[in-house]
Amino acid sequence: QVQLVQSGAEVRKPGSSVKVSCKASGGTITSYTISWLRQAPGQGLEWMGRVIPIFGIVDYAQNFQDRVTIGADKSTNTAYVELSSLRSEDTGIYYCAFSRQSSSSLSYWGQGTLVTVSS
Amino acid sequence: SYVLTQPPSVSVAPEKTARITCERNNIGSKSVHWYQQKPGQAPVLVVSDNSDRPSQIPERFSGSNSGNTATLTISRVEAGDEADYFCQVWDSDTDHYVFGTGTKVTVL
Repeated sequence: QVQLVQSGAEVRKPGSSVKVSCKASGGTITSYTISWLRQAPGQGLEWMGRVIPIFGIVDYAQNFQDRVTIGADKSTNTAYVELSSLRSEDTGIYYCAFSRQSSSSLSYWGQGTLVTVSS
Repeated sequence: SYVLTQPPSVSVAPEKTARITCERNNIGSKSVHWYQQKPGQAPVLVVSDNSDRPSQIPERFSGSNSGNTATLTISRVEAGDEADYFCQVWDSDTDHYVFGTGTKVTVL
């Protein structure tokens, strides 16, 4: 059973950047597609992008593609997302989620990381 | 843009059946997945690929998908089923994951 542990809560000022990590145990990240999602307070789920570590493929959602970087470090079995030029609307909980290569469903989820953007 | 429409809320009495819809033109041609999210928790996959249920999910949860509507059915509803539910598909035209607007299930 794959378990995902994300880094802790962050507070950032507008215009700065934040990096959130997601460490996997019980499985290797090269067996999965790793997605990052955001959930603004009281809102639904918004997909930010994905990385497929075994192929080195990265896709970004249009709403984020100018400001987001998603990657994976096979040596530490860890995925990450970095979001730049932060604004107050970026406040929310950021989740990593893993899909098996055989399905587009998100089978495993991290616990979420709260990012607060405030001056 | 790709929009998956869900009813904002569904109310159901204990032991009754809740049905949550996810609508989009020709959604029946897609694989639809469903997630349950309780307050303060990460989402949990409850139905994948239209009707498959992960091993840890009770048989009371089932899914179907045809035409323009996918449906998550919760039978013999319990108080612990009170949560937000989201549908999701993979849009192969844009290589993007797309989520539904979400439905809050209230157990009366």
